[in-house]
Amino acid sequence: DAGVIQSPRHEVTEMGQEVTLRCKPISGHDYLFWYRQTMMRGLELLIYFNNNVPIDDSGMPEDRFSAKMPNASFSTLKIQPSEPRDSAVYFCASSGLAPGANVLTFGAGSRLTVL
Amino acid sequence: AQSVSQHNHHVILSEAASLELGCNYSYGGTVNLFWYVQYPGQHLQLLLKYFSGDPLVKGIKGFEAEFIKSKFSFNLRKPSVQWSDTAEYFCAVNSTDSWGKLQFGAGTQVVVTP
Repeated sequence: DAGVIQSPRHEVTEMGQEVTLRCKPISGHDYLFWYRQTMMRGLELLIYFNNNVPIDDSGMPEDRFSAKMPNASFSTLKIQPSEPRDSAVYFCASSGLAPGANVLTFGAGSRLTVL
Repeated sequence: AQSVSQHNHHVILSEAASLELGCNYSYGGTVNLFWYVQYPGQHLQLLLKYFSGDPLVKGIKGFEAEFIKSKFSFNLRKPSVQWSDTAEYFCAVNSTDSWGKLQFGAGTQVVVTP
């Protein structure tokens, strides 16, 4: 398995632009998570899905952030409009439901810089 | 409120020294416990996990952790560190009745000097 695949790995954009981050979870995993990592706040859970359905989005900072999971193999995290304070590394992770698979596997992350 | 606290934000030690990183959690009920490691410029990787059974768990690269339920702790240890152990270490916890939501500690940056 190729693991959790995220794209882009790096993105530099200007304030006000729309940013879309993409994630392909591990095949067969029922849960998908979006985390944000910054020096100030560490790792924050933004949202997670179970079987493509958003379960908890209480960590989403504000309405500028939205996440979708149209199918079991793809999710997006969108920021519109982006602001400099959104600069962070965004990690996607997936997890299975079966005993022993109850562990998050993380992608390599998308490093976002908003100028 | 549920929380995970890691005692040290930064640790600097020499090669061959012993390492112990503290982690305490505040959760009701039964929990699953994890330690993740993030090497410079890389993504988080699982070091070890505790679900049930023997409270002393062994992970990769010579790391181990001990779950002490009475102290709500899950401390990470390694008897002799190497330069390649330089990384950030995260303790994480979820409850078994809502395990989808994994809560991370703030992380401990470990620097091992040659």
